[in-house]
Amino acid sequence: DAGVIQSPRHEVTEMGQEVTLRCKPISGHNSLFWYRQTMMRGLELLIYFNNNVPIDDSGMPEDRFSAKMPNASFSTLKIQPSEPRDSAVYFCASSRPPTSGRAPSYNEQFFGPGTRLTVL
Amino acid sequence: SQKIEQNSEALNIQEGKTATLTCNYTNYSPAYLQWYRQDPGRGPVFLLLIRENEKEKRKERLKVTFDTTLKQSLFHITASQPADSATYLCALVKGSSNTGKLIFGQGTTLQVKP
Repeated sequence: DAGVIQSPRHEVTEMGQEVTLRCKPISGHNSLFWYRQTMMRGLELLIYFNNNVPIDDSGMPEDRFSAKMPNASFSTLKIQPSEPRDSAVYFCASSRPPTSGRAPSYNEQFFGPGTRLTVL
Repeated sequence: SQKIEQNSEALNIQEGKTATLTCNYTNYSPAYLQWYRQDPGRGPVFLLLIRENEKEKRKERLKVTFDTTLKQSLFHITASQPADSATYLCALVKGSSNTGKLIFGQGTTLQVKP
């Protein structure tokens, strides 16, 4: 099992540029989560999908952030335009289908290695 | 407001001793709680899940307790080893049972010295 795959691992860009982060969840997992981690705010959930449908995007900071999951094996998180305060490590995680009536968050989440984003 | 608090100061202990990490929460009524381990430069790794009706859960050298009256979970590592050095995160589910999301504490860094 390859685990959750994220690309790129590191991204350095200039303020105002568009940034696209990519994630491939574990095969058979139908829930996908995007997190952001900083020293100040810790690990924060940005958005999560269940069966490719966004369930909760209340953590998305602003309209500059958008996420898509066009199919079960791929998701993107886009920031346009990027700002220095977006600098952080972005993690993607996936989990197995939950039992009936339970949220995906009830299952253990498998995290990718993260993308370290630096916006200059 | 809802809060999850973990010791922000690093915990330093000697190899072989038991490490105890604390997770306190306020204004939550979580049905369960998860613990994750995070090494520098890596994503968190799931360790244990404990439900509200479980007082204690064990896995090898790990033990987690969950006291819903005190609103506290304790995470123990017995016979600690330098390889246990990492940051440990607790996480609760916030929201409804069918759409809830995980909220993570800031984590506590454990340093086990040989």
